[in-house]
Amino acid sequence: GNSVTQMEGPVTLSEEAFLTINCTYTATGYPSLFWYVQYPGEGLQLLLKATKADDKGSNKGFEATYRKETTSFHLEKGSVQVSDSAVYFCALSYQAGTALIFGKGTTLSVSS
Amino acid sequence: DGGITQSPKYLFRKEGQNVTLSCEQNLNHDAMYWYRQDPGQGLRLIYYSQIVNDFQKGDIAEGYSVSREKKESFPLTVTSAQKNPTAFYLCASSRTGDNEKLFFGSGTQLSVL
Repeated sequence: GNSVTQMEGPVTLSEEAFLTINCTYTATGYPSLFWYVQYPGEGLQLLLKATKADDKGSNKGFEATYRKETTSFHLEKGSVQVSDSAVYFCALSYQAGTALIFGKGTTLSVSS
Repeated sequence: DGGITQSPKYLFRKEGQNVTLSCEQNLNHDAMYWYRQDPGQGLRLIYYSQIVNDFQKGDIAEGYSVSREKKESFPLTVTSAQKNPTAFYLCASSRTGDNEKLFFGSGTQLSVL
């Protein structure tokens, strides 16, 4: 079936460190891939997305590249800030009209 | 401002009681969704609706019920049959054909007394 696997957290970094959160997927066909972010006590917000192989999604300094050969969509940021502390969810959409499938989420904690 | 509103923010349920979580959106979206969030388990789909008067079960529908009588509203009832209801519940909406971009409410934390 279709699924998303994320690296387990929590991830703890110092400010200005490099961030990578791994995400791999299993899906039939050619899914679209997403990263959502959840700040404490809030709902999720779309961070970035990529709809086809080799596409790079980017937003607020975060980037992720859709790698079909490795079925991956790893999230990266060159220099994290304290305000980036949140839970990050990788997700996929394999068919229009169906709900998104989410990974389990990775908690990021950035200290100054 | 357009958005999606969940209420209440916190809710407590007694044994054997049904409780209803409210979700309202003024984004003119056709599709609406309910997810349950548990620590370490991510988001799991309970129910979703692509159009008024129609809805489909998600992965963990047992013990829950929904209705979609109006486009703007998609209430979720947690019935007494749901034996482990304590969780954070998230409602979301999207345009038809754009299920990829979901707009989320701020969630309801349900706890059992």
